[in-house]
Amino acid sequence: TQLLEQSPQFLSIQEGENLTVYCNSSSVFSSLQWYRQEPGEGPVLLVTVVTGGEVKKLKRLTFQFGDARKDSSLHITAAQPGDTGLYLCAGTFNDYKLSFGAGTTVTVRA
Amino acid sequence: EADIYQTPRYLVIGTGKKITLECSQTMGHDKMYWYQQDPGMELHLIHYSYGVNSTEKGDLSSESTVSRIRTEHFPLTLESARPSHTSQYLCASSEGWTGKAKNIQYFGAGTRLSVL
Repeated sequence: TQLLEQSPQFLSIQEGENLTVYCNSSSVFSSLQWYRQEPGEGPVLLVTVVTGGEVKKLKRLTFQFGDARKDSSLHITAAQPGDTGLYLCAGTFNDYKLSFGAGTTVTVRA
Repeated sequence: EADIYQTPRYLVIGTGKKITLECSQTMGHDKMYWYQQDPGMELHLIHYSYGVNSTEKGDLSSESTVSRIRTEHFPLTLESARPSHTSQYLCASSEGWTGKAKNIQYFGAGTRLSVL
């Protein structure tokens, strides 16, 4: 199993602030996905990135894939309480399986 | 929106009981998966299936078993539950593994199992 490291593990910020979470691996990803999971629910896909250097925007969320395809970041601008959740990155390497990071728990205080 | 359903959502049972966790999807996906997730930990793949009559063990050893008799149905069974089986179990499905966007998985809401 490939190892994905996410940081930070926990993040608590005030509404309106910005935040960035990171996902790193020592191996090259074939593709990388970001999911958000709310308590008591399953993960929901936010975005998939496949090309080194790729940047995708989803409203206030910006996803970046590293040039070497070994790392990715998720940046949230002007966070809102509705952004609270567990953010998981998941990568595919040479095979069909998704390897998940342990996640970053984000809490946005009103 | 994903059409994948898990039942029950919550289950509290005594040691030694046999249980089956149900998972159904209406998207016609060939690939289905079971993950185990503990608080603060990553999802661990315990079983997957390529299609009907195909089942494989995942990366994390599990005493559970699965079956895939129909495309839409992928139940997980524990013959004799123990407290060490207490966890959240998530089912997922995907359309496939090829193509530019590989292996996008759609998850059910999960079953939280507590074995006393």
